[in-house]
Amino acid sequence: EVQLVESGGGLVQPGGSLRLSCSASGFTFRTYAMHWVRQAPGKGLEYVSAISSSGDSTYYGDSVKGRFTISRDNSKNTLYLQMSSLRAEDTAMYYCLSSSWFWGQGTLVTVSS
Amino acid sequence: DIQMTQSPSSVSASVGDRVTITCRASHGISNYLAWFQQKPGRAPKSLIYAASSLQSGVPSNFSGSGSGTDFTLTISSLQPEDFATYYCQQYNNYPLTFGGGTKVEIK
Repeated sequence: EVQLVESGGGLVQPGGSLRLSCSASGFTFRTYAMHWVRQAPGKGLEYVSAISSSGDSTYYGDSVKGRFTISRDNSKNTLYLQMSSLRAEDTAMYYCLSSSWFWGQGTLVTVSS
Repeated sequence: DIQMTQSPSSVSASVGDRVTITCRASHGISNYLAWFQQKPGRAPKSLIYAASSLQSGVPSNFSGSGSGTDFTLTISSLQPEDFATYYCQQYNNYPLTFGGGTKVEIK
């Protein structure tokens, strides 16, 4: 069974940092590109970032470019999102998504003083 | 960026009804389109990829069609568990953009 389990969310002050993790199992993680998608409370889905299967290529949405860094460790079947200079508008549920169309359950990030 | 426009934004329907949701891309995306279902407080669930291919385990009352710029998700006979919000997403170009969502509500 494919599983994606996010962790690392929480309450952080504006300007702070947080690292999200997404632990994968049940599929050959190293062969799939991976994505982060977020959803602000009561809003729709927003694409955040992507990374190729090898980790050589990355993509960032305009709203997070220069502040967020996506990475992966294929030996640990884990995807990461390092978030810095966090703003109130980054408050959202963050989901990891495989390019084989499986979603994690999400981890909530709240940016507030 | 490719803009994805979904319509309607909401629809009221009864169990057994046929429901059609449309998604229009601002530029051609071939068949690189996916559909997701999301229930309140839950993560999205993938229904369809490549415009018309059903994800494993998805009931056959869901179907997708279209190519280029115009796409459709059809629920042939609405079931109680189908009341949810539905999103389309193009994956032809980065950023992978989503439609605004269609909420299917009970009439």
